Amino acid sequence: QVQLVQSGAEVKKPGASVKVSCKASGYTSSNYYMHWVRQAPGQGLEWMGVIDPSGTASHYAQKFQGRITVTRDTSTSTVYVELSSLRSEDTAMFYCASEEPGTAWFDPWGQGTLVTVSS
Amino acid sequence: QSALTQPASVSGSPGQSITISCTGTSSDVGAYNYVSWYQQHPGKVPKVMIYAVSNRPSGVSDRFSGSKSGNTASLTISGLQAEDEADYYCTSYAGGSTYVFGTGTKITVI
Repeated sequence: QVQLVQSGAEVKKPGASVKVSCKASGYTSSNYYMHWVRQAPGQGLEWMGVIDPSGTASHYAQKFQGRITVTRDTSTSTVYVELSSLRSEDTAMFYCASEEPGTAWFDPWGQGTLVTVSS
Repeated sequence: QSALTQPASVSGSPGQSITISCTGTSSDVGAYNYVSWYQQHPGKVPKVMIYAVSNRPSGVSDRFSGSKSGNTASLTISGLQAEDEADYYCTSYAGGSTYVFGTGTKITVI
């Protein structure tokens, strides 16, 4: 059974950084691109970035350039997203989602990790 | 990288057909046949309904169909059912290994 399991909820203060993990099981996740998507409360989905199957190349939405880092540990089938200089507007559910190379669609998705930024 | 434009809400009666539009630019929707659509029920994880403009993943009802013309993609739901009430998002490849989502459409079955 293909599954992406994300780390638990986080509460951070403004200016801090957060690192969310996404562990794959049930398939060879190192063959897949892994994307990060966030959703602020009551708002729409927002694409944040992607890392290639080998973990050597990451690409980010212009909005997050300079604040986001996506990394991959192929030995543990885990992908991470780190967002720095957090502000209250970064409060959101963060999702990881897998893409089979060349298909340009996301499936499966992780269960989501709520990141709350509050002083 | 501006969000793709979708109508905020669309409603229909059971059995009706509805269509959701997704308007982008010649740099995203118009440039690639990589538009996908996601259904999201409240509190749930998004689920892919259509990929590569008009393809249905295994297990998705054939009541869902997709198309594209120029810079605008569309999702049509035929034979509307109560269970179709949800938020729907389009997304498109935008070049340079980046993607952009639509603003989202709330479907109400009246």
